[in-house]
Amino acid sequence: EPEVTQTPSHQVTQMGQEVILRCVPISNHLYFYWYRQILGQKVEFLVSFYNNEISEKSEIFDDQFSVERPDGSNFTLKIRSTKLEDSAMYFCASSPDRVFYEQYFGPGTRLTVT
Amino acid sequence: GEDVEQSLFLSVREGDSSVINCTYTDSSSTYLYWYKQEPGAGLQLLTYIFSNMDMKQDQRLTVLLNKKDKHLSLRIADTQTGDSAIYFCAQYGSSNTGKLIFGQGTTLQVKP
Repeated sequence: EPEVTQTPSHQVTQMGQEVILRCVPISNHLYFYWYRQILGQKVEFLVSFYNNEISEKSEIFDDQFSVERPDGSNFTLKIRSTKLEDSAMYFCASSPDRVFYEQYFGPGTRLTVT
Repeated sequence: GEDVEQSLFLSVREGDSSVINCTYTDSSSTYLYWYKQEPGAGLQLLTYIFSNMDMKQDQRLTVLLNKKDKHLSLRIADTQTGDSAIYFCAQYGSSNTGKLIFGQGTTLQVKP
């Protein structure tokens, strides 16, 4: 069964460093998303992406964040200058075209900012 | 604003039914979801219901939707130890851009 994959599973970085979290959505899916979950808190929406454009972004998704689909298979989240409060589990998700409301999540990348 | 609330913990005995409850605020939400998260794993889409439905059954899972009270529930029949996980309720945001709004998750503990 096809699944969303994410790399790395755990990333440790120093405050102020740039990180890129990578996702490979399910093949032939057209809608892509990033969410995050700070330990002990709710899963929060960050951004949705369709047709090479951001459809919606949350207040969390400020100028430090960017997303890109560099080729036909990858979907990346970049944090330019990480802060301690960016430490969280980051989930990528994707949806197919005809059933756009079904979102399938990856296993997540745990980001630890020290 | 859009918000989803769940109780934090439920403990049941193996073989019993589990009922996990959720309330939401946005009455215009078109889809409501249940996701399951096992330790160290991602969010697994369990089931979802359209807002024009009152009930959906899928094997051991029954979803009930009360639109008047903005209340969603997930019933798991014959609960097994493998059902132990965190269950998240989510609603499809009114912006229709795919944004899901999640509850804080209910930890289901199944005792043998």
